[in-house]
Amino acid sequence: NAGVMQNPRHLVRRRGQEARLRCSPMKGHSHVYWYRQLPEEGLKFMVYLQKENIIDESGMPKERFSAEFPKEGPSILRIQQVVRGDSAAYFCASSPPLSYSGNTIYFGEGSWLTVV
Amino acid sequence: DQQVKQNSPSLSVQEGRISILNCDYTNSMFDYFLWYKKYPAEGPTFLISISSIKDKNEDGRFTVFLNKSAKHLSLHIVPSQPGDSAVYFCAASARNAGNNRKLIWGLGTSLAVNP
Repeated sequence: NAGVMQNPRHLVRRRGQEARLRCSPMKGHSHVYWYRQLPEEGLKFMVYLQKENIIDESGMPKERFSAEFPKEGPSILRIQQVVRGDSAAYFCASSPPLSYSGNTIYFGEGSWLTVV
Repeated sequence: DQQVKQNSPSLSVQEGRISILNCDYTNSMFDYFLWYKKYPAEGPTFLISISSIKDKNEDGRFTVFLNKSAKHLSLHIVPSQPGDSAVYFCAASARNAGNNRKLIWGLGTSLAVNP
């Protein structure tokens, strides 16, 4: 019973390159969330997706960042033209379909992006 | 505007004693609350949750108390163990107009349990 799988665990990119982070939700989970944790800061919500649908992207930076969750395959968080300030831990979480009583979301181990 | 506040950035407790982590919220529409634990270089791990229809939920050494009138919840760990040393996040959610939910997170409290 695999949990939320994220890869790569560690990624190093030079300034101006693209970073792609992948997330496979837990079996039976149709909702995916991406969070970012900058050094010495708390968890910041970025985006909430269902299959082929972005539900809430209020936490996404307006430029260079995009996310998708296709019908088949993992969710992808894409960062174009990375800058040093993008260096952070990116956590993916998933949950089952919405229930009246509230959602518990389950996190992956995270992907650590370092921009040099 | 921090809707979920964990006012103590850190807490130090002796092994075997009780750890009490506090969380305050401002949005009266929140109806589901969760606690997560996070070790360095790992993802947050779900610990325990509570619905607003309850005022207490217990799971082993972990108990969460909810005081809706004070908009306050707390996590009690008893007895505390050195392996409990981690950052603890409080989160809350409410159903929005689009019938979706989003978790709103506190900034975390770093717990150190000393042997």
